Amino acid sequence: QLTQSPSSLSASVGDRVTISCRASQGINSHLAWLQQKPGKAPNLLIYTASTLQSGVPSRFSGSGSGTDFTLTISSLQPEDFATYFCQHLGSFGGGTKVETK
Amino acid sequence: EVHLVESGGTLVQPGGSLRLSCAVSGFTFTSYWMAWVRQAPGKGLEWVANINEYGSDKYYADSVRGRFTISRDNAKTSLFLQMDSLRAEDTALYYCARVDVVVAGREDNYDSWGQGTLVTVSS
Repeated sequence: QLTQSPSSLSASVGDRVTISCRASQGINSHLAWLQQKPGKAPNLLIYTASTLQSGVPSRFSGSGSGTDFTLTISSLQPEDFATYFCQHLGSFGGGTKVETK
Repeated sequence: EVHLVESGGTLVQPGGSLRLSCAVSGFTFTSYWMAWVRQAPGKGLEWVANINEYGSDKYYADSVRGRFTISRDNAKTSLFLQMDSLRAEDTALYYCARVDVVVAGREDNYDSWGQGTLVTVSS
């Protein structure tokens, strides 16, 4: 089971944003992050906790291992307002909606 | 370019059946596991089922096991989901997704998605 926090946050363009995901048991580095924009399918951003999927901007980064993981957006851009999900095998976190302040 | 296109979603009565399809192109279909993932209106993502490259191994979420059947036709590069005994709680947008098995049994990444097909279960 994956627990994300916060469930939503308000931020401005240029802000540094961090999203947390906690696993109920240790999963080494086997965690992915996905982004979903309104009305669109999810898109894989990061896998194996910290590896950027091809084509994903470098302002996105992931860290963590074991049970605690973090997705960081170093400088929020207008196209980054979306919902972010963590995922391990068949489990998804509840999502974090990043909204404009 | 990887392309996944779902179809078959519609309004169906509780207890009814539906078969979803996902037409795939742009990659070697027989090299990948595939999955169905659903999203109820305004809710998060829920994994539904996985199938291996050959169609011989299938896994289901507890919420659909015994009612849904995942299958594939490698000759037609298509994925299917047979949905029986449908319930109101099955109402969702159903996505077809390609699975990249990074570490077997440890890490599966859903690295390509279709746009989804909407299933509404209501009388």
